[in-house]
Amino acid sequence: GAGVSQSPRYKVAKRGQDVALRCDPISGHVSLFWYQQALGQGPEFLTYFQNEAQLDKSGLPSDRFFAERPEGSVSTLKIQRTQQEDSAVYLCASSFSSGTTDTQYFGPGTRLTVL
Amino acid sequence: KQEVTQIPAALSVPEGENLVLNCSFTDSAIYNLQWFRQDPGKGLTSLLLIQSSQREQTSGRLNASLDKSSGRSTLYIAASQPGDSATYLCAHVQGAQKLVFGQGTRLTINP
Repeated sequence: GAGVSQSPRYKVAKRGQDVALRCDPISGHVSLFWYQQALGQGPEFLTYFQNEAQLDKSGLPSDRFFAERPEGSVSTLKIQRTQQEDSAVYLCASSFSSGTTDTQYFGPGTRLTVL
Repeated sequence: KQEVTQIPAALSVPEGENLVLNCSFTDSAIYNLQWFRQDPGKGLTSLLLIQSSQREQTSGRLNASLDKSSGRSTLYIAASQPGDSATYLCAHVQGAQKLVFGQGTRLTINP
């Protein structure tokens, strides 16, 4: 009965390091989303999975960003060669099906700070 | 690019007052409009979801309205309490479920 969980909650990386952020969606949820939230701004869409298929990755800001959901449950967002502009809160959300009217349930986010 | 704008960016009111938060959007063909609450260091909690065929939704002291023709939504909070202090975000679905958010209104209710 747990909600969406994300780990780690906080990550500090030196510029140039690779990082991996994990999302555990609500069990049985088909859809999974990643959003990026800069300080003082609303979240911005990064990518969307339906089961294991990545159907939309139009929001990924560069080819340094990569997301996967190999078994249709847990997802990982990987950022290679981190830059200072990557500092943000990364939010994961899941929804029960693929319908446009489904409520998305959000995790607490991972705050990434790149020094 | 579809945009969502929230005004004001920040609002501070005394406890007990009724208040209105505003959200405007450029896409009149939206599927639905959602209001979320975000507490510091936490994720988003969905408050109300208005389908495109509806004009308003109510939950307790919260009432959200939707006017697609004018591209506007409002969130009305009655008898505000200090526990209502948070950032409120509106968003609409674009394409296959992805949400487009406003920048949020940071609300402070003073005891």
